[in-house]
Amino acid sequence: GEDVEQSLFLSVREGDSSVINCTYTDSSSTYLYWYKQEPGAGLQLLTYIFSNMDMKQDQRLTVLLNKKDKHLSLRIADTQTGDSAIYFCAEWGSGGYNKLIFGAGTRLAVHP
Amino acid sequence: DTGVSQNPRHKITKRGQNVTFRCDPISEHNRLYWYRQTLGQGPEFLTYFQNEAQLEKSRLLSDRFSAERPKGSFSTLEIQRTEQGDSAMYLCASSLISAGYEQYFGPGTRLTVT
Repeated sequence: GEDVEQSLFLSVREGDSSVINCTYTDSSSTYLYWYKQEPGAGLQLLTYIFSNMDMKQDQRLTVLLNKKDKHLSLRIADTQTGDSAIYFCAEWGSGGYNKLIFGAGTRLAVHP
Repeated sequence: DTGVSQNPRHKITKRGQNVTFRCDPISEHNRLYWYRQTLGQGPEFLTYFQNEAQLEKSRLLSDRFSAERPKGSFSTLEIQRTEQGDSAMYLCASSLISAGYEQYFGPGTRLTVT
């Protein structure tokens, strides 16, 4: 079946690193994603990783994929107050479908 | 602005009324998707179009919902006889056929049914 799970809340101090975790159940997922949503706004595609990769780095963002454990993480280095948002993990391609399947989102709160 | 646009951004309606939302995808994108997001949840897939053809529909898309993309450009999502349970954010996304895995979202239409 298709299921994506995330912890609901994370609080970090400004300047520290944040690590947001996600687990998924469908091993046929082709791509895995991190989207960011600020209050009242749509979703911003932050980064994604192909399922045959285990790491992707993009400026302050590092994505780690453990395909054996079906675990995805997003590390944000030097977290800033502007990073406060809800972060959604998603998968695409499971079952051959073209839809994204999202987790419930992790609310990241950055405090001084 | 060359991103996905959606109108209206907010809609308040009374139960039983019909509503229609519009999505304009990124201009060269030939796939268009609709998702629904309720409070505290991630978006859930409703349907998608490839050009003007509607290729997949979720079980969430009841008979009261209809989506169209008549000329393969903008799309409309209509909800007939709205119910309070329809209150949600309706999100549109678009992609290229060759990159269906790279979906870009619009700002959404927030529907409140009173």
